[in-house]
Parts: sequence; C-alpha cells; structure tokens
Amino acid sequence: DAEITQSPRHKITETGRQVTLACHQTWNHNNMFWYRQDLGHGLRLIHYSYGVQDTNKGEVSDGYSVSRSNTEDLPLTLESAASSQTSVYFCASSRTGWNSPLHFGNGTRLTVT
Amino acid sequence: QQQVKQSPQSLIVQKGGIPIINCAYENTAFDYFPWYQQFPGKGPALLIAIRPDVSEKKEGRFTISFNKSAKQFSLHIMDSQPGDSATYFCAASMQSSARQLTFGSGTQLTVLP
Repeated sequence: DAEITQSPRHKITETGRQVTLACHQTWNHNNMFWYRQDLGHGLRLIHYSYGVQDTNKGEVSDGYSVSRSNTEDLPLTLESAASSQTSVYFCASSRTGWNSPLHFGNGTRLTVT
Repeated sequence: QQQVKQSPQSLIVQKGGIPIINCAYENTAFDYFPWYQQFPGKGPALLIAIRPDVSEKKEGRFTISFNKSAKQFSLHIMDSQPGDSATYFCAASMQSSARQLTFGSGTQLTVLP
C-alpha cells in the first residue's frame, strides 16, 4: 500500500543546531506539504511543493527551508533551531485536483532545548 | 490572514449523543470545506467534505451542514461512539490559493462509554 513516512518520530535538539526532518511518500503525488501543529493553533502551513524543483513559502515559513529534488521526498530543514520551533511536524501529500485529500504522515515531535 | 475559526476547543458527550462542532470563515472565496479526523499519535485523515453549492452532506453517521449566507459550517456526529474520540479539524480552501488548506484550531472530542 502507498504511504507517507516521516522520520524520525521524535527528535530532541539544542538551540542553534541545524535539524532536518525527512518525509517520503510512495503515492507518486505531485503535491507535498509541511505543517506544524500546536495546541490552539491547529495546523499551520510551513512550506509546500507542487512538483520537482518547485517550493513555496507558507504561513509560517521563517526559519525553515525545503527542497524538492524528486517526487517522493520533501525534507524540512530548520536552519538554526529555536525553542519556538518545538512542535509536532506533519508532512502531507496529495494529487493535483481541487478535491484531492491530503494524506498525512504520522508526524515528528521535535523538542528544541 | 485567511482564518477559519473553530469551536468548541473541547467537547465531552455520552455514547449515543450528537456532538456538534462549528466553524466560521470570513473569506467568501473559499469554495471547499473538508473535515479531518486525527487520533492520538497519528496524522489527520479526511473524514468528509462539502462544497458551498449544497447545504448538507451526509456520510454514515457524519453530517456537514453548510450555511453560505452566515459563512458557517458544522460537523454533526450521530449516535456517537467511544471510537469517535479524536481531534477534529475543519478546513477551507479556494481555487485562487492553489488549494492550500487553511485549518481551524481543532476540537478534541471525548465520547464517554
């Protein structure tokens, strides 16, 4: 079965360190997204991509970057981790189309100390 | 900022009750309104979705009611079960934003046995 896999599931890092969260999907979807989930804020869009070599900033992109070198992967990099980036991060993918559902991974819980 | 306001933040009902979760939006350009269900430790998954050309959509025990003039929509869960205990997110998107979803803040539902 097709799936979307995030790794690691849990990560603890120190302030100022660079961190990369992995996202790999086998749906062959063009669209990929990164969200962060915080209590009281729901899911907020960080970055998204509509295809290889395409990346776009979302609502809360400051301090984050992504790159899309193939269809399957969209890694999220925190250039210099800050305590405000402690959160649960979700990767998602979807087909092109107005009613195509997002397929989410199971998340990465990141703690910045 | 395009917002979707969701209430209540948490909800506790007895088995068989009918929990109702409400969402309101401001941007009249929104034209797709999905609901996502999230269980602990998992990513959200699409539950049901509606477009503004209909006032109600039902799938099994889940019903979306849509009031275009009031810019509100709600999720009703008929004959709720303990297995429905989860966090529910409403969302909205529009064609001009290339289908990026704006999520509500989430409602944590607990159905007591």
